[in-house]
Amino acid sequence: DAKTTQPPSMDCAEGRAANLPCNHSTISGNEYVYWYRQIHSQGPQYIIHGLKNNETNEMASLIITEDRKSSTLILPHATLRDTAVYYCIVRVRRNSGNTPLVFGKGTRLSVIA
Amino acid sequence: GAVVSQHPSWVICKSGTSVKIECRSLDFQATTMFWYRQFPKQSLMLMATSNEGSKATYEQGVEKDKFLINHASLTLSTLTVTSAHPEDSSFYICSARSAGGADEQFFGPGTRLTVL
Repeated sequence: DAKTTQPPSMDCAEGRAANLPCNHSTISGNEYVYWYRQIHSQGPQYIIHGLKNNETNEMASLIITEDRKSSTLILPHATLRDTAVYYCIVRVRRNSGNTPLVFGKGTRLSVIA
Repeated sequence: GAVVSQHPSWVICKSGTSVKIECRSLDFQATTMFWYRQFPKQSLMLMATSNEGSKATYEQGVEKDKFLINHASLTLSTLTVTSAHPEDSSFYICSARSAGGADEQFFGPGTRLTVL
């Protein structure tokens, strides 16, 4: 699976959009971009994933550049509860097998009142 | 959505004792479960992968005789930390993958182990 690079930390004002970048310049054509987050002392929570089109769900939007070498997770109106470590993971989508998610260091997002 | 539970949520034990952590998939069948460990201010590190009815596959550097994993059913996997020592104190997280072929991994809430 391709390697990802994320800034170690970011701050965001409450109510503003939080834009979390992720670089994955070695991504392959069949690799998806996944985002998870981990609130302190909890298990990771799935947020969103995408291949090449932009995706949106009730939690966030995922913007993937045309060359797919980077992406941005957008939390449109950040709240204090969004304070967490956000992990960008690139991997092939598998329908079977034992390949687990591998976590990098992620971005620690602090939402400030 | 798919729910994974862990029990206990936290445990304190004396050095030299064994501790068992349960991981259950509540509303789906999990052919594969993964166990992670997380030290303070660090990322999750994969310890092992277990498939129902077969032996677990351990990551390099993880002692299989110390961290016993049993995946006896499609909804339950257990991790037993044998002869625990203070350096085993950590946050243990399990994850389950659906038997239905979907690629999503669902995570439990984690178990905080403190060894005195």
